[in-house]
Amino acid sequence: LAKTTQPISMDSYEGQEVNITCSHNNIATNDYITWYQQFPSQGPRFIIQGYKTKVTNEVASLFIPADRKSSTLSLPRVSLSDTAVYYCLVGDVDSSYKLIFGSGTRLLVRP
Amino acid sequence: GAGVSQSPSNKVTEKGKDVELRCDPISGHTALYWYRQSLGQGLEFLIYFQGNSAPDKSGLPSDRFSAERTGGSVSTLTIQRTQQEDSAVYLCASSAALVSSYEQYFGPGTRLTVT
Repeated sequence: LAKTTQPISMDSYEGQEVNITCSHNNIATNDYITWYQQFPSQGPRFIIQGYKTKVTNEVASLFIPADRKSSTLSLPRVSLSDTAVYYCLVGDVDSSYKLIFGSGTRLLVRP
Repeated sequence: GAGVSQSPSNKVTEKGKDVELRCDPISGHTALYWYRQSLGQGLEFLIYFQGNSAPDKSGLPSDRFSAERTGGSVSTLTIQRTQQEDSAVYLCASSAALVSSYEQYFGPGTRLTVT
């Protein structure tokens, strides 16, 4: 499974766009990039998944450059409730079953 | 619909006692996973079930840990002779076999404290 590197923490203010970048230099051809969000005292929650270019859903956007060695999770107009830990995971979704969580990025949204 | 549920939500036990943690996955989800998260740490994979079988038990920390799943539904994680280092939040997740195994739905967890 490819190793991922992401910032330990980020600060933002309500209404701003937040971009969290994850590096995964050893990503394999069959690997997908998946992001999870975890609030305190809760289990992680799937946010978004992508393979290349751009994916958007009602919660976030995921930008993946052509070389796929990094990816950026974009949260538009964050609110206080977006304060959470965000995890980037990389792996083969068809053959890999266990999620390998790194340390994640602790996002703090201030008023 | 109902999500993944776990019980108890909190468990305090004395060192040396056995504990059982329960997970009810989302109905129809054939895959079930157990993880644990120590204070301020990331998640650690423990074991995975496909149906009632566990193809990979390599994540279990020691032979004091065991898990079973019956009827392709409820799973129990048992920790025998608990130690203080077993204190953590134990999280269960499930996923439908026909979608990406990476889209796992997590329960709220059981917070285990060994005194």
